Amino acid sequence: EVQLVESGGGLVQPGGSLRLSCAASGFTFSSYWMSWVRQAPGKGLEWVANIKQDGSEKYYVDSVKGRFTISRDNAKNSLYLQMNSLRAEDTAVYYCASMVNYYYGMDVWGQGTTVTVSS
Amino acid sequence: DVVMTQSPLSLPVTLGQPASISCRSSQSLVHSDGNTYLNWFQQRPGQSPRRLIYKVSNRDSGVPDRFSGSGSGTDFTLKISRVEAEDVGVYYCMQGTHWPQWTFGQGTKVEIK
Repeated sequence: EVQLVESGGGLVQPGGSLRLSCAASGFTFSSYWMSWVRQAPGKGLEWVANIKQDGSEKYYVDSVKGRFTISRDNAKNSLYLQMNSLRAEDTAVYYCASMVNYYYGMDVWGQGTTVTVSS
Repeated sequence: DVVMTQSPLSLPVTLGQPASISCRSSQSLVHSDGNTYLNWFQQRPGQSPRRLIYKVSNRDSGVPDRFSGSGSGTDFTLKISRVEAEDVGVYYCMQGTHWPQWTFGQGTKVEIK
């Protein structure tokens, strides 16, 4: 069964850092682009970052550039999102997702992990 | 950046009746390769999103054929031929043409009258 399981969410103060992880199973992780998408409370979906199969290409939404870093470890079938200088507006459920074809968007999604930025 | 605008934002529907959601993009979604990368996602209450349709009109595996997508250029539509109770949720369009910046519409909430 294809599965993505996020972890690492929690409560953090403004200006703090957090590292999200996503464990993949049931498919050849190293063959897929991977993505992080977030959803603020009561709001819609927002794409955050993407990473190529070998990690050589990374892309970010403008609002997180310079603060967030996406990475992956294909040997561990894992995706990561290092989040620094967190702001209240980063509060959201963060989903990891896989993409067979990056033009088609995300085809398998995890259950999400909640990040709350508050003092 | 490409802005995706959906309408309506809320759609009350009677069970068994059709439903239609519009999605418009601020720029053409025709890629230089000739394809149009407009995708639709469904998010049921309390669940993660799932993709329903990719490249305007192609249904994902397991998606009922009451769902259909159409459109071209900047105007697109998701139709549900006969709404069932399990269709309640929020529907999002998403453009993949102007990669690597993906953008979603605001979402349309489908509920039963």
